[in-house]
Amino acid sequence: AQSVSQHNHHVILSEAASLELGCNYSYGGTVNLFWYVQYPGQHLQLLLKYFSGDPLVKGIKGFEAEFIKSKFSFNLRKPSVQWSDTAEYFCAVNEGGSYIPTFGRGTSLIVHP
Amino acid sequence: NAGVTQTPKFQVLKTGQSMTLQCAQDMNHEYMSWYRQDPGMGLRLIHYSVGAGITDQGEVPNGYNVSRSTTEDFPLRLLSAAPSQTSVYFCASGGIVKQETQYFGPGTRLLVL
Repeated sequence: AQSVSQHNHHVILSEAASLELGCNYSYGGTVNLFWYVQYPGQHLQLLLKYFSGDPLVKGIKGFEAEFIKSKFSFNLRKPSVQWSDTAEYFCAVNEGGSYIPTFGRGTSLIVHP
Repeated sequence: NAGVTQTPKFQVLKTGQSMTLQCAQDMNHEYMSWYRQDPGMGLRLIHYSVGAGITDQGEVPNGYNVSRSTTEDFPLRLLSAAPSQTSVYFCASGGIVKQETQYFGPGTRLLVL
């Protein structure tokens, strides 16, 4: 069965620091990759997604992610975080032709002003 | 469009009581699903549906029932609530192609005493 690993469970940064959150998956075939964000007290919403083409994907609010097929990874990055980026971040993967995503356990990010 | 709506927002139950969590979407999505979110466990799929009259079990289905009589509605039933079902419940909807984004509702916070 597909598994999605988010190795950083809790990350604490100061404003303007750079961010990289790891996401690795286990499926060896074609995948579709997503990052979702959940701001405090709110529901999950899409941050960015990758289906095909350029492995560097740009999303909302200055976030980007890079798909590295050889490493089974889809890490999320942001050059300079803001206090408003405090949230929980979930990586999700659809394997093959499936429309049912498998979610990672999430990474809680706290940004100090 | 309202997107995905859930009611109630909060609920307190006593052990053994039953209740139904409501979920509705107005995007004509075929795929709907229920997740529970627990600290350190991320999102776990309870049940899902790919259309009216079609439902299937996810990762943690025990203690929960679902039905899908219309495209719009996907209620989740707790037949006999247990303290282990204390959680935040999210409903999501999306299309049935692999690239589809999942749209989440605002969540229902359930406490079982």
